[in-house]
Amino acid sequence: NAGVTQTPKFQVLKTGQSMTLQCAQDMNHEYMSWYRQDPGMGLRLIHYSVGAGITDQGEVPNGYNVSRSTTEDFPLRLLSAAPSQTSVYFCASSYLPEYGYTFGSGTRLTVV
Amino acid sequence: DQQVKQNSPSLSVQEGRISILNCDYTNSMFDYFLWYKKYPAEGPTFLISISSIKDKNEDGRFTVFLNKSAKHLSLHIVPSQPGDSAVYFCAASVGNKLVFGAGTILRVKS
Repeated sequence: NAGVTQTPKFQVLKTGQSMTLQCAQDMNHEYMSWYRQDPGMGLRLIHYSVGAGITDQGEVPNGYNVSRSTTEDFPLRLLSAAPSQTSVYFCASSYLPEYGYTFGSGTRLTVV
Repeated sequence: DQQVKQNSPSLSVQEGRISILNCDYTNSMFDYFLWYKKYPAEGPTFLISISSIKDKNEDGRFTVFLNKSAKHLSLHIVPSQPGDSAVYFCAASVGNKLVFGAGTILRVKS
């Protein structure tokens, strides 16, 4: 039972490059979310999904795209990386949000 | 505009004593409140939640209290153990979104 798997664990990008952070869960959860964690800011919601084919924006969506073609996968795309996107990114999934989300171990992204 | 605030960046407690972590919120539409624990280099782990229609929920050493009139919740850990040393995040649910506070670092001294 893998839970929520995020890849890669570490990534360094140059400004302007694009990349996709992968997230997969094997718990058949409908709800999935992407967060970024910055010092002193807690976790801020980037995008979320309530099921395959349905996505919506969170607090800080600019510069990021998502899609949800299957229940299991919820990739996060950085369109043109900027130094302000240097952060730790967490993917999470849930049966119902009030029952708590299961988080992945995170991707530490540095944009230089 | 921070809807969920944890005003204490850190808290230090002696092993065996009570740890009390506090959280304030501004949005009266929040329907669930949750606490998460996070160790370095790991993802947050769900601890306990409470519905907005309740004022207390208990799970082992962890109890969450909700005061809706004051828009305040707290997490009590009794007794505190060195393994409880971590960052604790308060979170609140509205619709399908979860909003987090900035976190409180708890240090339990043995």
